[in-house]
Amino acid sequence: DAGVIQSPRHEVTEMGQEVTLRCKPISGHNSLFWYRQTMMRGLELLIYFNNNVPIDDSGMPEDRFSAKMPNASFSTLKIQPSEPRDSAVYFCASSLGYSYNEQFFGPGTRLTVL
Amino acid sequence: AQSVSQHNHHVILSEAASLELGCNYSYGGTVNLFWYVQYPGQHLQLLLKYFSGDPLVKGIKGFEAEFIKSKFSFNLRKPSVQWSDTAEYFCAVGSDDYKLSFGAGTTVTVRA
Repeated sequence: DAGVIQSPRHEVTEMGQEVTLRCKPISGHNSLFWYRQTMMRGLELLIYFNNNVPIDDSGMPEDRFSAKMPNASFSTLKIQPSEPRDSAVYFCASSLGYSYNEQFFGPGTRLTVL
Repeated sequence: AQSVSQHNHHVILSEAASLELGCNYSYGGTVNLFWYVQYPGQHLQLLLKYFSGDPLVKGIKGFEAEFIKSKFSFNLRKPSVQWSDTAEYFCAVGSDDYKLSFGAGTTVTVRA
């Protein structure tokens, strides 16, 4: 089992550039979550999908952030334009639906915006 | 919406000492409770979980947690820590939807 796969693992970009983070959930999982982790704010839920449909995007910080899940095996989180305050580690997690099931986290993408 | 409170931001202790991390949540309904661990530079991994049955739950690496419904608590314990337990520990609560609410995390540093 490959687990949750995220790419890239590290991303360094300049302010104003578009950034796309990618996630492949565990096969068979029907819920997918995007989190952001910073020293100041800890672990924040940005958005989650169930059966490819966005259920709650209230954690998305602003319109510069968007997420898609075109099929059950792929999701993207896009930041356009990026800003230095977006620097963080972004985690993707997947699970088998309801919250009594464990969420499996990917290795994360460390984003640095200069 | 539920909220999760972890009492300690940073705990420092010596090897072989006992560890207890506090976690309280605010939600009156049925909850599912988790403890995750994040080792330095790694992703979150599940330590243990509770959703019904015996309120004393045993997890991996000698950790256990006790669910006390009347206190809305789910404290994590380990009788004797090792240097390799140095990590950040997150309590999480799920209720009647898909998502989990995470606490702010507790950094545990174990000195050899």
